[in-house]
Amino acid sequence: GIQVEQSPPDLILQEGANSTLRCNFSDSVNNLQWFHQNPWGQLINLFYIPSGTKQNGRLSATTVATERYSLLYISSSQTTDSGVYFCAVELGGATNKLIFGTGTLLAVQP
Amino acid sequence: DTGVSQNPRHKITKRGQNVTFRCDPISEHNRLYWYRQTLGQGPEFLTYFQNEAQLEKSRLLSDRFSAERPKGSFSTLEIQRTEQGDSAMYLCASSLGLKSEQYFGPGTRLTVT
Repeated sequence: GIQVEQSPPDLILQEGANSTLRCNFSDSVNNLQWFHQNPWGQLINLFYIPSGTKQNGRLSATTVATERYSLLYISSSQTTDSGVYFCAVELGGATNKLIFGTGTLLAVQP
Repeated sequence: DTGVSQNPRHKITKRGQNVTFRCDPISEHNRLYWYRQTLGQGPEFLTYFQNEAQLEKSRLLSDRFSAERPKGSFSTLEIQRTEQGDSAMYLCASSLGLKSEQYFGPGTRLTVT
């Protein structure tokens, strides 16, 4: 089956720093979503980005489907950005179930 | 409230007992998904409904697990004869049609003692 790997697995930042999270996938996908999982376990939608670049405030994402990767940029990080970031890919077919990556655990220190 | 809701948020049960979880999707969403997340891992797909029809089940869904979505609205996930390995966060998501964004509920955290 498809492999979805994220890097780095862990990241510690000082408040105000910028970071780039990467998601690599081993096969063609229909779509890709980025999520932030907060300490209470809630998955918060960040981007729905099958290709191209999108921006939302301090966050932006780029997916290069032909090269099978996606990047999530966090600028001017805040302590509230802490948590686990997941990318999830949607395979073809009728289900559009999501296959989640391995996650990046981000800790932003004041 | 327009988000996905799940109840209960936490459930502690003894091994061998049956448990049932409920998911209420976003009202106009016709697709509903169940995922399971264990500590340190990403969520894994369990099963999927389009309206009231259960169209796909993962191999993770043993015969002790059953899911329903009567009338294509809310869904229930039942686990019979719970085992300690069933301890996990059970997440529900919904979406509107094919190739559309999935939105997740807050999850039900199950602990089997």
